[in-house]
Amino acid sequence: GAGVSQSPSNKVTEKGKDVELRCDPISGHTALYWYRQSLGQGLEFLIYFQGNSAPDKSGLPSDRFSAERTGGSVSTLTIQRTQQEDSAVYLCASSQTRPGELFFGEGSRLTVL
Amino acid sequence: DAKTTQPPSMDCAEGRAANLPCNHSTISGNEYVYWYRQIHSQGPQYIIHGLKNNETNEMASLIITEDRKSSTLILPHATLRDTAVYYCIAAYNTDKLIFGTGTRLQVFP
Repeated sequence: GAGVSQSPSNKVTEKGKDVELRCDPISGHTALYWYRQSLGQGLEFLIYFQGNSAPDKSGLPSDRFSAERTGGSVSTLTIQRTQQEDSAVYLCASSQTRPGELFFGEGSRLTVL
Repeated sequence: DAKTTQPPSMDCAEGRAANLPCNHSTISGNEYVYWYRQIHSQGPQYIIHGLKNNETNEMASLIITEDRKSSTLILPHATLRDTAVYYCIAAYNTDKLIFGTGTRLQVFP
């Protein structure tokens, strides 16, 4: 597709379960970013990939959060043992140039009951 | 990256120019000014960025003061579809853009 694709668009899970969120960046974009946005709040930076490596993991909230990127393309954000405070919209973005323009997906809305 | 300060909200009449200010008094010489906006329930959308010179594209104009301590995003003819939260960010590159709370622009008929 032409834009950044995220799946699932909505996910409802029970506290304690693991979830995986997927991001398909724009083809050819080497940089990939994960953010999250809690209800009514601003965007919180989570992690950034350049190719398959993540130079900056400082934004991951806890060791329950991990992310990987394979083949310089698709990325997966995994949240283990989900908690209610993990409920948020998780946004993925990709970019080609530095400095440049980040293209955001529509997000994955996670609700932890 | 330099901290930015924006008014929490602004109103603008449809068809008029919307001028959104941003203060970045601690910006360093190699930091760019980026503007993004987020329309309700959508991912943020890039608008424009600049370093020293004023910039214009099909969406907006960016005016940066000579001392680079502040800037203004101008939407020349605001429409109802421009109602959104507008984020001003100062950063060296896009490795880690920090989005603040932005300015909530309400365009009214």
